[in-house]
Amino acid sequence: KAGVTQTPRYLIKTRGQQVTLSCSPISGHRSVSWYQQTPGQGLQFLFEYFSETQRNKGNFPGRFSGRQFSNSRSEMNVSTLELGDSALYLCASSRTTGGIYNEQFFGPGTRLTVL
Amino acid sequence: GESVGLHLPTLSVQEGDNSIINCAYSNSASDYFIWYKQESGKGPQFIIDIRSNMDKRQGQRVTVLLNKTVKHLSLQIAATQPGDSAVYFCAETIGGSQGNLIFGKGTKLSVKP
Repeated sequence: KAGVTQTPRYLIKTRGQQVTLSCSPISGHRSVSWYQQTPGQGLQFLFEYFSETQRNKGNFPGRFSGRQFSNSRSEMNVSTLELGDSALYLCASSRTTGGIYNEQFFGPGTRLTVL
Repeated sequence: GESVGLHLPTLSVQEGDNSIINCAYSNSASDYFIWYKQESGKGPQFIIDIRSNMDKRQGQRVTVLLNKTVKHLSLQIAATQPGDSAVYFCAETIGGSQGNLIFGKGTKLSVKP
């Protein structure tokens, strides 16, 4: 079974631009979560989607947004990029959400560099 | 991989020795605790989890211990191998919201051959 895939793997943008990252979950997984990983802040939860609905949201500004499609694929968007948005963005998928713990499987991440 | 911070706690062990990685948590309402391993250039990989009503759980070469009294979690790796070199994170979930993992800062494990 194929794992979680993320595209692109590497991205370089300049301040003020916007970016869209993509995540394809493991087949059959309906929950997709996004995390930001930086040396200073570590791994921080951005948001979670299940059945095309945002179920949870972390403490990030509104410049960070996401969506999920009917096939469970997800995208996250960052508008008006800032230097501090440089990070590894990780996507994780799991079977279900809410009330029952299910293991999350992580993708390799997208390395975003903002110049 | 690129996730390694400049000031991560580091544990250096000799190949074949046992490793113990520690983690403190703050929320008594956490339901599950999970250990992840992250190798260079890869996303976190699940190692083992433990439910909050358990004290100990064993896997292959790994054991997780949970002490709720002092809010402490540890990961023991038996007979540590060079392939165990990575950054290890503990994570917790709260209130059944298992899509939202709260991660610790991580510990870098280096195994000397």
